Amino acid sequence: GESVGLHLPTLSVQEGDNSIINCAYSNSASDYFIWYKQESGKGPQFIIDIRSNMDKRQGQRVTVLLNKTVKHLSLQIAATQPGDSAVYFCAENMGRGNDMRFGAGTRLTVKP
Amino acid sequence: SQTIHQWPATLVQPVGSPLSLECTVEGTSNPNLYWYRQAAGRGLQLLFYSVGIGQISSEVPQNLSASRPQDRQFILSSKKLLLSDSGFYLCAWSVFPNTEAFFGQGTRLTVV
Repeated sequence: GESVGLHLPTLSVQEGDNSIINCAYSNSASDYFIWYKQESGKGPQFIIDIRSNMDKRQGQRVTVLLNKTVKHLSLQIAATQPGDSAVYFCAENMGRGNDMRFGAGTRLTVKP
Repeated sequence: SQTIHQWPATLVQPVGSPLSLECTVEGTSNPNLYWYRQAAGRGLQLLFYSVGIGQISSEVPQNLSASRPQDRQFILSSKKLLLSDSGFYLCAWSVFPNTEAFFGQGTRLTVV
């Protein structure tokens, strides 16, 4: 089933502030996770990934944190910009076949 | 570089009519191919995936079918559309299963 709630959570931040988007995943056997960004009317785009042998990975302005103990994943965006406004999805490798299971997403709105 | 093309971008079809959405990938060989559906304000639901020509796996029972007649072509079909088939359909490809997926721009299907 869905690894996060059915309704799309929203997060509103001021331009320049840091954003933290959270995701709870369902399968303790999942060993690979991806964050995607989806702008309105477009397909999702890869942001950053992390494997379960790591607890932190950094990219350009983004950091993903993985807490396997509580099955929690977060995406931190530094100095959030208006172009960061989008829906952000986490996806987990369910450990079987080709099943990357997506969460419901979080809508990030950046206020100027 | 690799590109993925998905068409049409929008489609309005009457209930009971057939459906054919096409997706092609360029610049890579033997990709893993996926069809996802996204309901409004929801996450992505994996419908079908294919690891090779003629090899289709279905994730959920539904009114849809998929075919892969060529290595880089993936088609989503229905013989008779239902109102509940409305949604945003996304095609994606990856090099390996359960790794970063590259998405097309999506098709917004409205069944009336």
